[in-house]
Amino acid sequence: GENVEQHPSTLSVQEGDSAVIKCTYSDSASNYFPWYKQELGKRPQLIIDIRSNVGEKKDQRIAVTLNKTAKHFSLHITETQPEDSAVYFCAASKGTSYDKVIFGPGTSLSVIP
Amino acid sequence: DAGVTQSPTHLIKTRGQQVTLRCSPKSGHDTVSWYQQALGQGPQFIFQYYEEEERQRGNFPDRFSGHQFPNYSSELNVNALLLGDSALYLCASSFIESEQYFGPGTRLTVT
Repeated sequence: GENVEQHPSTLSVQEGDSAVIKCTYSDSASNYFPWYKQELGKRPQLIIDIRSNVGEKKDQRIAVTLNKTAKHFSLHITETQPEDSAVYFCAASKGTSYDKVIFGPGTSLSVIP
Repeated sequence: DAGVTQSPTHLIKTRGQQVTLRCSPKSGHDTVSWYQQALGQGPQFIFQYYEEEERQRGNFPDRFSGHQFPNYSSELNVNALLLGDSALYLCASSFIESEQYFGPGTRLTVT
C-alpha cells in the first residue's frame, strides 16, 4: 500500500547550523509533496511544497529537493533558529484536492541556542 | 476569514460510547478531509467528503463514518469507541488543487 517513510525521527542541531530531513514514498503515481510543521499542541501548517515537474524549490531558509526516479525528497533548513524547533512531517499525494495525503511519521527537530 | 474551525476542542468519552466531531471549512473550500493523529505519530487519513459524498477512504473500520452538509461543513462520527481511538482528530479543507488547510483539531480521550 501507499507509504511514506521519514528519517531521522529526532534531530538536534546547534542554532545557525543546517538541518536535513529525508523522506521516501512508495506510490510512483505521487506527484505532490508538501511539508508541514507542527508545534506542540497546534495544527500542522504547510511550510513548503513541491510538485513533480520541478526538482528543487526554495523559500528563504527552507528548500525542498525531489528525486522522482529514486522516490526520495528532502527538506533543508539553513541558519536554523530556536523557533524552528517543532515536529516536521513530509507527505505525498497524487496532487489534486481529492487525493488523500499520506503523511510520514514525523521528525522532531530541536534547535539548541 | 476564520479559517478551518473544529468543535469541540476536547472531549472525554467512555469505551462503547459514540462521538460526533464537527468541522467548518475555510471560506471558499468545498472539500473536507479527516485525519486521526495518535500521540507521536503523523496524521492518518480517515476519509474525504466532496459534494456531500465520501470520495475516498483510508484504512479505518466502518465504526468511523461521516457526513457533509450543503454548506460544506462536515461531521465525523465514531461508534463503539475503543481506547485506541484516543487521538487528535484533524479536519482539513481544500478547493481544487489548493493546499489543505488544517483546523486546530479535537482531542478525544476514551477511558
